[in-house]
Amino acid sequence: SQELEQSPQSLIVQEGKNLTINCTSSKTLYGLYWYKQKYGEGLIFLMMLQKGGEEKSHEKITAKLDEKKQQSSLHITASQPSHAGIYLCGADSNYQLIWGAGTKLIIKP
Amino acid sequence: NAGVTQTPKFRILKIGQSMTLQCAQDMNHNYMYWYRQDPGMGLKLIYYSVGAGITDKGEVPNGYNVSRSTTEDFPLRLELAAPSQTSVYFCASSYSGRGGGTEAFFGQGTRLTVV
Repeated sequence: SQELEQSPQSLIVQEGKNLTINCTSSKTLYGLYWYKQKYGEGLIFLMMLQKGGEEKSHEKITAKLDEKKQQSSLHITASQPSHAGIYLCGADSNYQLIWGAGTKLIIKP
Repeated sequence: NAGVTQTPKFRILKIGQSMTLQCAQDMNHNYMYWYRQDPGMGLKLIYYSVGAGITDKGEVPNGYNVSRSTTEDFPLRLELAAPSQTSVYFCASSYSGRGGGTEAFFGQGTRLTVV
């Protein structure tokens, strides 16, 4: 079965600094999703990647899918307190979405 | 726009009690899902449905039951609650399955504690 591994598990970053979160799959990815979760809330969709080498950006967040389609990274530039939360990567696996364990991001003022 | 609505938000159950977690979506999505999220873990699929009248087991279905009599509603039933079912439960819906190249919409979650 396919598994997703996220790293790091948690991250404390000074406000204004850049950071990267990684998501590695045990099999080829055919659809990779990034979501953000705040405590006590549901998951908010950020971006979806499908093609090898694809890169998408939204405001200060950029997500990339490598050419081999087995690894994705999420990069935040000039982090802000609003970026704090748990970031989860999800992937298509038959009729299900499988998920990484999440990366907890804390922004220090 | 309501999206996906889950109730209740919080619940404490005693061992052996039963309850139903409600989930409703107003986006006319065919696919609906129930996940549980344990601390430090990702989401584990409990059950999913590809349309009214059709449900199937996910990764961790034991101790749960579902039904899908309408497109809008997808309740999750816990029978004989056990401490191992203490978790946060999320309902989600999407236009098509396999993520479908479209995003899944999530409810706000139900935090369940079994004591």
